[in-house]
Amino acid sequence: QVQLVQSGAEVKKPGASVRLSCKASGYTFTNFAMQWMRQAPGQRPEWVGWINAVNGNTKYSQKFQDRVTITMDTSASTAYMELSSLTSDDTAIYYCARDNFLISFNPWGQGTLVTVSS
Amino acid sequence: QSMLTQPPSASGTPGQRVIISCSGSNSNIGRHPVSWLQQLPGSAPKLLIYGYNQRPSGVPDRFSGSRSGTSASLAISGLQSEDETDYYCAAWDDTLNGWAFGGGTKLTV
Repeated sequence: QVQLVQSGAEVKKPGASVRLSCKASGYTFTNFAMQWMRQAPGQRPEWVGWINAVNGNTKYSQKFQDRVTITMDTSASTAYMELSSLTSDDTAIYYCARDNFLISFNPWGQGTLVTVSS
Repeated sequence: QSMLTQPPSASGTPGQRVIISCSGSNSNIGRHPVSWLQQLPGSAPKLLIYGYNQRPSGVPDRFSGSRSGTSASLAISGLQSEDETDYYCAAWDDTLNGWAFGGGTKLTV
């Protein structure tokens, strides 16, 4: 079955960067895109960006444009999201979700908690 | 700025039908399909509805979606206790040039 498994929780200091991974299985990775979202405690999900695994094109939320990079390793069926210049406001659960260009957000990974604290 | 607006709460009794609304604009719901997500406590969101009223495999037909102008609705019929959780709408927004999510509705059964 389609499954997205994300990397483990991270604790970072303000100003640092974090790189998260999302390993896909159960489908052909390069036939789909991968979305990245985050959700702070008690808040709505927030879109971060996506990568089209067919051609490697990326698109980022204007909010994160200057400090996010989404990449992929097709040989490992894995997508990565790196966020730099972290502040406490970046403390959230970060999710990946598959997108087939018609059906977005299906399924989601289990999420990775990122805590930014001095 | 909040592009999609949902009521913070909704309620119903078992077996009843409840409707959750999502209000947007011509930059999102008025031009793009709406997705609905269900999020159980401590879990990742799960896709319930896409393309206004399509259900992914495995989602019961008790869940249905609709759109009218710049608003969308999620209807849940035959309410069950396990439906008590949070629901979010989502749509592409041309102003944001990205995905927008509603603030979420907590359903009490």
